[in-house]
Amino acid sequence: KQEVTQIPAALSVPEGENLVLNCSFTDSAIYNLQWFRQDPGKGLTSLLLIQSSQREQTSGRLNASLDKSSGRSTLYIAASQPGDSATYLCAVTHNNAGNMLTFGGGTRLMVKP
Amino acid sequence: DAGITQSPRHKVTETGTPVTLRCHQTENHRYMYWYRQDPGHGLRLIHYSYGVKDTDKGEVSDGYSVSRSKTEDFLLTLESATSSQTSVYFCAISESKVGMNTEAFFGQGTRLTVV
Repeated sequence: KQEVTQIPAALSVPEGENLVLNCSFTDSAIYNLQWFRQDPGKGLTSLLLIQSSQREQTSGRLNASLDKSSGRSTLYIAASQPGDSATYLCAVTHNNAGNMLTFGGGTRLMVKP
Repeated sequence: DAGITQSPRHKVTETGTPVTLRCHQTENHRYMYWYRQDPGHGLRLIHYSYGVKDTDKGEVSDGYSVSRSKTEDFLLTLESATSSQTSVYFCAISESKVGMNTEAFFGQGTRLTVV
């Protein structure tokens, strides 16, 4: 059974810092990995999708990397801002017919002004 | 934003009553999913659909049933609601193309309270 772990569970940083969120998974037979953002009481917003054949994806101040063989992904946030405060979730899609996502527990990020 | 609408957004119901949650998409995506999100458990898959009338169970399917009679609609039914089904329910959609899977998009969620 696939297990996805995110470390740390919570993180508080001052504005302007560069930071790294970690995601690890136990079964490397994945189609892709996706990073989401969730604001309190809201749905999930897709940030980045990395296909299993790719090593990284970038969107603005966000960069996500994938090392499938070691079962790891990182989300790098450059020059953090208070508006980045949210919970960040990673999820992997299995190599099966259902496109199902397995989620990590999330990292709750607070960026202080 | 992906066109996903969940209804209702909030519901309070009594133990033992049936409840149906609706997910409607305008993206014509093949796959649809129901997840629940609970503190300490994260997001867990309840049921999913890979086409009209094609559904399968997820990790936490006991006490739930689903139906998909049209591409755009995926219904989740709690047959006899229990307090343990108090949760936030999310619908998601995705598509697949040859050799790759595309992004999953989520609805805004339905907060269900069973009293």
